[in-house]
Amino acid sequence: GNSVTQMEGPVTLSEEAFLTINCTYTATGYPSLFWYVQYPGEGLQLLLKATKADDKGSNKGFEATYRKETTSFHLEKGSVQVSDSAVYFCAFPSGSARQLTFGSGTQLTVLP
Amino acid sequence: DSGVTQTPKHLITATGQRVTLRCSPRSGDLSVYWYQQSLDQGLQFLIQYYNGEERAKGNILERFSAQQFPDLHSELNLSSLELGDSALYFCASSQTGGLESPLHFGNGTRLTVT
Repeated sequence: GNSVTQMEGPVTLSEEAFLTINCTYTATGYPSLFWYVQYPGEGLQLLLKATKADDKGSNKGFEATYRKETTSFHLEKGSVQVSDSAVYFCAFPSGSARQLTFGSGTQLTVLP
Repeated sequence: DSGVTQTPKHLITATGQRVTLRCSPRSGDLSVYWYQQSLDQGLQFLIQYYNGEERAKGNILERFSAQQFPDLHSELNLSSLELGDSALYFCASSQTGGLESPLHFGNGTRLTVT
């Protein structure tokens, strides 16, 4: 069945550093892929998505490219801010393909 | 603000008890999902409803049940509670119930079983 492996945290960076959070998947075909973010005390919210291979999703300075050759969807940001401190989840459809399965989450802390 | 409302925010109860968690989806959303978030299991999908009907079932225990009412709000009932049921329970809603529309999550209900 489909599965996702997400880089374990926690990750601590200084402000303006470059961020990469790795996510790789195993799936039949090329499902849509998602990144969700959970800020402290809140529920998850969609950060970006890519609906087909070679697509790039982007939002709030974050980017992720759906790479079918490496079955990866790594999250990147060129210059992180303190306000980016949150938990980031890679997600993809599974089961009946009507619900999302989430990775284990990566805690990011950005220090000023 | 996601527009999804969950009540209560916190719940503390004893083992063996039964609790009900409530979720009001975002206006216009027909589908409701329940997820459990715990430190050891991560975020686990429990169950999904669409327009009052159960659509998909995940890792939901037999002690747990849910329903979606005609006004589209949903309730998750947890019974015979065990210490291991302590977790953050999230409700999410989406417009269509498919993956073409994003999930909007509430802020969760933190359940503590003592």
